[in-house]
Amino acid sequence: DSGVTQTPKHLITATGQRVTLRCSPRSGDLSVYWYQQSLDQGLQFLIQYYNGEERAKGNILERFSAQQFPDLHSELNLSSLELGDSALYFCASSPLGAGNTIYFGEGSWLTVV
Amino acid sequence: SQQGEEDPQALSIQEGENATMNCSYKTSINNLQWYRQNSGRGLVHLILIRSNEREKHSGRLRVTLDTSKKSSSLLITASRAADTASYFCATDARAQGGSEKLVFGKGMKLTVNP
Repeated sequence: DSGVTQTPKHLITATGQRVTLRCSPRSGDLSVYWYQQSLDQGLQFLIQYYNGEERAKGNILERFSAQQFPDLHSELNLSSLELGDSALYFCASSPLGAGNTIYFGEGSWLTVV
Repeated sequence: SQQGEEDPQALSIQEGENATMNCSYKTSINNLQWYRQNSGRGLVHLILIRSNEREKHSGRLRVTLDTSKKSSSLLITASRAADTASYFCATDARAQGGSEKLVFGKGMKLTVNP
């Protein structure tokens, strides 16, 4: 158990809908990362927050947004969902920045039908 | 785009044999990490090697880093069926805005047959 908690574990939704994925980082970790894993694209970095502020941005679509709250939990919002958004979404956390070990949650499986 | 690329993409060996996985990357790095992922589960950190280190050990794992060739290798000795998983290398890279991000390769699937 990494200490990173993600909910929901599985989610099935229709195209055009909006979903919110939630992440609770390890106790004391200030950085939260979101990754998308799909068969064709591999593990893609989406975005990182550090202590509530956006720190780094990757291949995150404009339809997607994220935030980190004062209690350090984070949410990833996915809107206007398309079939191609079906993937495993990981949250990870670390005490500091990306140059250190990061700890992954078990992921949220999103299926868009 | 991927910073690190693992090679081979898949490897099947017998229990007790050694498994070697290679990772090549494109730009200069501060450190390189290896992670493991069991099917459908989260990634688990295995080992981190800094750019000024050439070799590091952790239990049955041995990692080497050659910054001149921009490559790293992960050796698992005396493999076990439980080592069956996908293995990823990850490197720090520049993100939008100039900060660092951790970029993963596509992964290498290791199958250890009992």
